[in-house]
Amino acid sequence: GDSVTQMEGPVTLSEEAFLTINCTYTATGYPSLFWYVQYPGEGLQLLLKATKADDKGSNKGFEATYRKETTSFHLEKGSVQVSDSAVYFCALRTGANSKLTFGKGITLSVRP
Amino acid sequence: DGGITQSPKYLFRKEGQNVTLSCEQNLNHDAMYWYRQDPGQGLRLIYYSQIVNDFQKGDIAEGYSVSREKKESFPLTVTSAQKNPTAFYLCASSIGDRSNTEAFFGQGTRLTVV
Repeated sequence: GDSVTQMEGPVTLSEEAFLTINCTYTATGYPSLFWYVQYPGEGLQLLLKATKADDKGSNKGFEATYRKETTSFHLEKGSVQVSDSAVYFCALRTGANSKLTFGKGITLSVRP
Repeated sequence: DGGITQSPKYLFRKEGQNVTLSCEQNLNHDAMYWYRQDPGQGLRLIYYSQIVNDFQKGDIAEGYSVSREKKESFPLTVTSAQKNPTAFYLCASSIGDRSNTEAFFGQGTRLTVV
């Protein structure tokens, strides 16, 4: 079945550091890929998405490129801020009548 | 404003009781979902519905029940058969069954068994 694997966390960075959060997937067919962010005590918000190979999703300084050859969708940001502290989830969706499959999430803490 | 509303935000239940979590959306979405979130385990799908009067079990449906009598509403009942119900519950919706569309989430309900 479909699955998403995220790197182990938590991750702690200093403000203005470079961020990479790894995400790889296993899926039948051609999935769409998503990154969601969850702030403390809240639901999930879509951060960005990519729906076909080589697409790059971007939002709020975050980027991720859909790499079919490596089945990856790594999240990057050039300079993190304290306000980026949250839990980040990678997810995929394939085919019709499909549900979102999530990774386990990773907690990012950014210190001033 | 369009969105998904979950209520209540916090819910306490005594052991042996059934409780119902509310989820309402005004986005005119066909598909609705219930996820359970536990620390370190990500989100696990409980039930989902692609259309009114139809729903399917997800990965962890045991001890839960749902109904979908209206397009806007997808309530989740946590029954006494659910052995470990304390968790954060998230409701989501999306446009139909197209794989390239994202899901929108409510703010969640935190259920605690006391």
